[in-house]
Amino acid sequence: AQTVTQSQPEMSVQEAETVTLSCTYDTSESNYYLFWYKQPPSRQMILVIRQEAYKQQNATENRFSVNFQKAAKSFSLKISDSQLGDTAMYFCAFMKHEDPGTYKYIFGTGTRLKVLA
Amino acid sequence: NAGVTQTPKFQVLKTGQSMTLQCAQDMNHEYMSWYRQDPGMGLRLIHYSVGAGITDQGEVPNGYNVSRSTTEDFPLRLLSAAPSQTSVYFCASRRTGGRYNSPLHFGNGTRLTVT
Repeated sequence: AQTVTQSQPEMSVQEAETVTLSCTYDTSESNYYLFWYKQPPSRQMILVIRQEAYKQQNATENRFSVNFQKAAKSFSLKISDSQLGDTAMYFCAFMKHEDPGTYKYIFGTGTRLKVLA
Repeated sequence: NAGVTQTPKFQVLKTGQSMTLQCAQDMNHEYMSWYRQDPGMGLRLIHYSVGAGITDQGEVPNGYNVSRSTTEDFPLRLLSAAPSQTSVYFCASRRTGGRYNSPLHFGNGTRLTVT
């Protein structure tokens, strides 16, 4: 069974600094998808970034980028120029490419990030 | 642009009571799902559906029922609430077909307390 591990329950970073959130996963599959979701205090779940396992190039979305190491089964999220609005819980998620219609996402336990002014 | 709408936002139940959490989406997504979020445990899949009339169990289905009579709606029923079901519940949907990396779209959650 697939598992997703986020080993940092809480982190903090100064405004404008860079922070990296770690995520590791365990799978025997070769074709899968990885996601980072952000959950601010409003409780809404917001997609931050996604990565397809067959793509070697790391995904980027503005200030957010990932370091995808397939062999090491690692998928870390880097937030550059941190802003107060980045304060949130961040979840790493794994989705296996299965039969069409079967989408079972496995979520990590989350990292609570606080950006300090 | 409503997306995924969950009601109610908050609910308090007594042990043994029943209730239905509502979820509706207006994006014509075939796939819909329910998760519960508990501290230190992330999000765990309760039930999911790949289309009207089709449902299946997720990781933690016990104590919950679902049905899918229309594409838009996917209610979650608690038949006899227990304190262990105190949690935040999220409904999520995604489109099927095309690119498999289509993300989940989440509702804003329902905070349920069972006393």
